[in-house]
Amino acid sequence: DGGITQSPKYLFRKEGQNVTLSCEQNLNHDAMYWYRQDPGQGLRLIYYSQIVNDFQKGDIAEGYSVSREKKESFPLTVTSAQKNPTAFYLCASSSWGSNQPQHFGDGTRLSIL
Amino acid sequence: AQTVTQSQPEMSVQEAETVTLSCTYDTSESDYYLFWYKQPPSRQMILVIRQEAYKQQNATENRFSVNFQKAAKSFSLKISDSQLGDAAMYFCAYRSPNTGNQFYFGTGTSLTVIP
Repeated sequence: DGGITQSPKYLFRKEGQNVTLSCEQNLNHDAMYWYRQDPGQGLRLIYYSQIVNDFQKGDIAEGYSVSREKKESFPLTVTSAQKNPTAFYLCASSSWGSNQPQHFGDGTRLSIL
Repeated sequence: AQTVTQSQPEMSVQEAETVTLSCTYDTSESDYYLFWYKQPPSRQMILVIRQEAYKQQNATENRFSVNFQKAAKSFSLKISDSQLGDAAMYFCAYRSPNTGNQFYFGTGTSLTVIP
């Protein structure tokens, strides 16, 4: 079945450490996105990518980095510069065509040790 | 950037009753697309329903329907015959054909279903 796979489901970060969240899709979608969700809050856009080797900052990109070397993959690195990384992270993808919805992964919960 | 507003942080409904969740948006565009997503406690985001702005007919998916008022920039979600499984956060989203593939989300409405 086609879908989006995020891993790991739970991740713990030590102070000063960079961690990478994985996002893979087999839907052949061109666009991919990373969102952050804090408890009881909505989705805030971190980064998005419309094509391979290109990506744009969202509303809260500081302290995060991404790459898009393959169409299927859009990993997110939470750097040590992100001082409050504890949150739920959602990856999504969509195809061209504005009537198409976003498809989401199951999320990664990141916590600070 | 477009803004999407969900003015009801929390709502509750009796099982088997009907509830309406509100969503308004701010745009100068004439062509766009609107979506409602459901996020149950599992945190998975599930598409509930979509609406194209150029269509006058309101979208319907089983017990879920929308009231799309383009002039008022309003896109409310009606849930009929509410079930316990409908309890979730509901997010309204806007997609513009003019801003690439970017989506704009509201802050969500938490729906409680009372048995």
